[in-house]
Amino acid sequence: GENVEQHPSTLSVQEGDSAVIKCTYSDSASNYFPWYKQELGKRPQLIIDIRSNVGEKKDQRIAVTLNKTAKHFSLHITETQPEDSAVYFCAASIPNTGNQFYFGTGTSLTVIP
Amino acid sequence: EPEVTQTPSHQVTQMGQEVILRCVPISNHLYFYWYRQILGQKVEFLVSFYNNEISEKSEIFDDQFSVERPDGSNFTLKIRSTKLEDSAMYFCASIQLTDTQYFGPGTRLTVL
Repeated sequence: GENVEQHPSTLSVQEGDSAVIKCTYSDSASNYFPWYKQELGKRPQLIIDIRSNVGEKKDQRIAVTLNKTAKHFSLHITETQPEDSAVYFCAASIPNTGNQFYFGTGTSLTVIP
Repeated sequence: EPEVTQTPSHQVTQMGQEVILRCVPISNHLYFYWYRQILGQKVEFLVSFYNNEISEKSEIFDDQFSVERPDGSNFTLKIRSTKLEDSAMYFCASIQLTDTQYFGPGTRLTVL
């Protein structure tokens, strides 16, 4: 099955700086890559996603890039704010296999005011 | 905006007891999922369900687990004889057809 690796496991940035989280996947058939934000004790919330026919997608301060050849994708958060502090999970999904998500191990982001 | 709901929010049980975790997916969604998250670890896939049957399951989803959609709205996960290591947060998720999965708030299961 698919194997998703995520780095770093923890990340601390100063408010206003950028944060970058990277994921790699193993199965070239994966074609959908969502990013979820999970605050303590709460459900994972989708923040952005990208499909394999697109190289980059941006939504205000959040962007995701995808390199299909290298099988990696990254989350970029610019102008970080304290409320961005959370655990971020990347995931990959292979079509026609029940669409289940294979999650990365998570990155705990702390934005220092 | 419609949301996936789950009950109970917290379930405490004795080892060896059966538990049923309940989910109400978003009404026009067709695929349903259960995931597990042990404290401090990643979210792990358990099972997917489509057209009233299991479409995929992971190696975690052994014979002590079962899922059911007993009516048009509920989607349940049953653990027949709970073990200490079943203690985790269990998330239900649903999608309409493909791509974006919407997660419920989770049920925290504590096995004593």
